Amino acid sequence: GEDVEQSLFLSVREGDSSVINCTYTDSSSTYLYWYKQEPGAGLQLLTYIFSNMDMKQDQRLTVLLNKKDKHLSLRIADTQTGDSAIYFCAETGGYNKLIFGAGTRLAVHP
Amino acid sequence: AAGVIQSPRHLIKEKRETATLKCYPIPRHDTVYWYQQGPGQDPQFLISFYEKMQSDKGSIPDRFSAQQFSDYHSELNMSSLELGDSALYFCASSRSSYNEQFFGPGTRLTVL
Repeated sequence: GEDVEQSLFLSVREGDSSVINCTYTDSSSTYLYWYKQEPGAGLQLLTYIFSNMDMKQDQRLTVLLNKKDKHLSLRIADTQTGDSAIYFCAETGGYNKLIFGAGTRLAVHP
Repeated sequence: AAGVIQSPRHLIKEKRETATLKCYPIPRHDTVYWYQQGPGQDPQFLISFYEKMQSDKGSIPDRFSAQQFSDYHSELNMSSLELGDSALYFCASSRSSYNEQFFGPGTRLTVL
């Protein structure tokens, strides 16, 4: 079946790196995504990785994909207070629908 | 850049009433997806349309229906509303040849 799992909470100090982890089950997913959601707001597409890639870097964001273990991670360098939000990883199911994890709440403290 | 537009942004209804949510995709996007996000939960896929035809169906109650019109906008119709329908409803759009889905700001539905 299709299932995406994430740890629910992460707390980091401002300026440190944050690493948010995700495991997925559908090995046929073509793309894997990271979305950011601030309180009461919509879903902001942060980045995505194609399934035949191992790593993708985009400014402060680094996505690592381990297809063997079906493990996806998002690293945020130099984490700022504005990065505080819920981060969802998502895999693509049939007909491109997104299947989300439960979300990781990132808290950044001074 | 143009984004996905959803209306209304907030909606308050009584139990057993009906509601219609509207979604206007990004220009040249031909695929629309609807998701429901309950309080403290992750978004759940409801239904999608490609070129005005239903392409996939998820956990959408029979009380709900949706369609995509000739101008590619979509409407989600919800009848016999229940308290449990209170949620954020997101619409997303994409171009068929690309996989990135861009989300609208959502419609917050409150059923009293």
